[in-house]
Parts: sequence; C-alpha cells; structure tokens
Amino acid sequence: GEDVEQSLFLSVREGDSSVINCTYTDSSSTYLYWYKQEPGAGLQLLTYIFSNMDMKQDQRLTVLLNKKDKHLSLRIADTQTGDSAIYFCAVRGNSNYQLIWGAGTKLIIKP
Amino acid sequence: DTGVSQDPRHKITKRGQNVTFRCDPISEHNRLYWYRQTLGQGPEFLTYFQNEAQLEKSRLLSDRFSAERPKGSFSTLEIQRTEQGDSAMYLCASSSGAQGGYTFGSGTRLTVV
Repeated sequence: GEDVEQSLFLSVREGDSSVINCTYTDSSSTYLYWYKQEPGAGLQLLTYIFSNMDMKQDQRLTVLLNKKDKHLSLRIADTQTGDSAIYFCAVRGNSNYQLIWGAGTKLIIKP
Repeated sequence: DTGVSQDPRHKITKRGQNVTFRCDPISEHNRLYWYRQTLGQGPEFLTYFQNEAQLEKSRLLSDRFSAERPKGSFSTLEIQRTEQGDSAMYLCASSSGAQGGYTFGSGTRLTVV
C-alpha cells in the first residue's frame, strides 16, 4: 500500500534553517501537506503544495517537491524556539478524502 | 466560527465501558473525518463523512466502533466495550472540498484503565 517516510528527529541551532524531508510511494498523489503538532495540541496545517508545482514559499516556509524522486521537503528559515514541534508530511492520492501520513519528524532547537 | 471543536478533551474510562465523543466541524465544511493517533505515530484514518453519508470506514475499525453524522453537521464517535488498546488521541477534522487541507480539532484523549 501507499507509504510516507520521514526521519524521526532533526536537531538545528536557533537561527539556522531547518530542512525536513519526506518520501512517498504513491505517484498519483495530488496534494501534499505539512502539518505541525505541538505537545498536547492538535494538528495545524502549515502549508500544502499541488502536484503540478515544484516549489511554494510562504514567509519563512519553503516547500520543494520532486515528483520524479517522490520527495517533499519543508524548509524553515531562521528557526526559532517556537518552531519546536513534530512536523508531519501527508499526501492525498486519487481518493478524494484519505490522507496518508508519515510518522512525524521531531524538530529540536539548540540554543 | 472558531474552528473544529471536540468534546471532551480528555476521557478516562474503565475497560468494558462505552464512550462517546463529539465533533463540531467548521459550519461550511461538508466533509468530516475521524482519525486516531497514538504516541509517536501519525494519524490513522478511521472514517469519513460527506454531509450525513458515511462514505468510508477503515478496516482498522472494529465493530465496536460506530460513527454518525445525522444532520450533516456535528458527528459522534462511539466505542463500545472499550479495551486498553483503544487508548489514543481521537482527532476530528473537516474540509470543504478536494483542495487544501483539513482543519483539525484539538482531539479527545482517551485512556482506558
């Protein structure tokens, strides 16, 4: 079945850029999403990209999509302590409703 | 409209008891989803409604689980004869269509003791 893979942890220094990577298997994926989850909180949609796009930028966030390699990344510029959270990659396939989720990447900020 | 609301936030129940959770989606969203999340994992799809119709139910969902959305607005998720393995965060989300992402509620954390 479809699968989404992410590294479990990423550690960066405050002020540096963070790059969180995700790979997926479903080549028919239409929309690809990044969600943020802070401790004890729900999932917050950060950004998404449609499969016919290569890049999307939104303030400090840049999403890159390589459809050939089925690779999605989220870059957070000037990482702050408030960016500490778990970041989930999710993809929507041909089905109109179900998202397939990665296990999440925990972003750790070092002072 | 302040987003997706879920009630209760936390529920502790004894094994074997029934529990019911409620979700109030964003009012103009016709699609509603239930997911379950355990520690260290991404959400697992449980079920999906478009308006009042339940269009899909995950194979993960045993017969002890049932969900309703009687008037196409709020939804309830009931778990009968709870087991310790049912302990998880139950997340509700809504959306208005194929574009964009879901808006999630804060979840209901269930602990079965």
